[in-house]
Amino acid sequence: EIVMTQSPATLSVSPGERATLSCRASQSVSSNLAWYQQKPGQAPRLLIYGASTRATGIPARFSGSGSGTEFTLTISSLQSEDFAVYYCQQYGFTFGPGTKVDIK
Amino acid sequence: EVQLVESGGGLVKPGGSLRLSCAASGFTFSSYSMNWVRQAPGKGLEWVSSISSSSSYIYYADSVKGRFTISRDNAKNSLYLQMNSLRAEDTAVYYCARGMVKYSGMDVWGQGTTVTVSS
Repeated sequence: EIVMTQSPATLSVSPGERATLSCRASQSVSSNLAWYQQKPGQAPRLLIYGASTRATGIPARFSGSGSGTEFTLTISSLQSEDFAVYYCQQYGFTFGPGTKVDIK
Repeated sequence: EVQLVESGGGLVKPGGSLRLSCAASGFTFSSYSMNWVRQAPGKGLEWVSSISSSSSYIYYADSVKGRFTISRDNAKNSLYLQMNSLRAEDTAVYYCARGMVKYSGMDVWGQGTTVTVSS
């Protein structure tokens, strides 16, 4: 079973700053990695698939990188609507525990 | 408009059963794999089960294997989750989500239906 970990658990960032979120897989998932954003009371939203491809309608300030076991989601300049919880997922199965991005 | 609408949630006693449904519209349902994902109160996302477009391939999380059964009816554009032997730890919001065709990932989500297992 592939185990996903995410760090940090919470990231405090000021609006306009850059946020870097990490996701690690216990064994290689190649580029089969997706990122989701979830706001309170809402369903998750797909941000990134194939480790680095933005989903339809996702702003360019969101970018994904990595392959194998180490992945990164970068939000280049945080907007107020970006404060949320972010999850990674491997191969359409296991999710990571999430990183909460909150206002500093 | 592409849409997924879950139904069937509710309060059930431990050991009981419940059947969730997900109605799909706005896309060719029979071309996509489908998934159930749940979220316990205050917790993260947990993948539950996946089914391929023609039902040829079915997968379950270890936590529900042997108790839950995923199925679909392409003629009715509907996805189902039969949940038996329910436990308190199955209490969660259950989301139906569409799988992407060529990539792993879930690109369309319903708003969820709440299942509460309690005596």
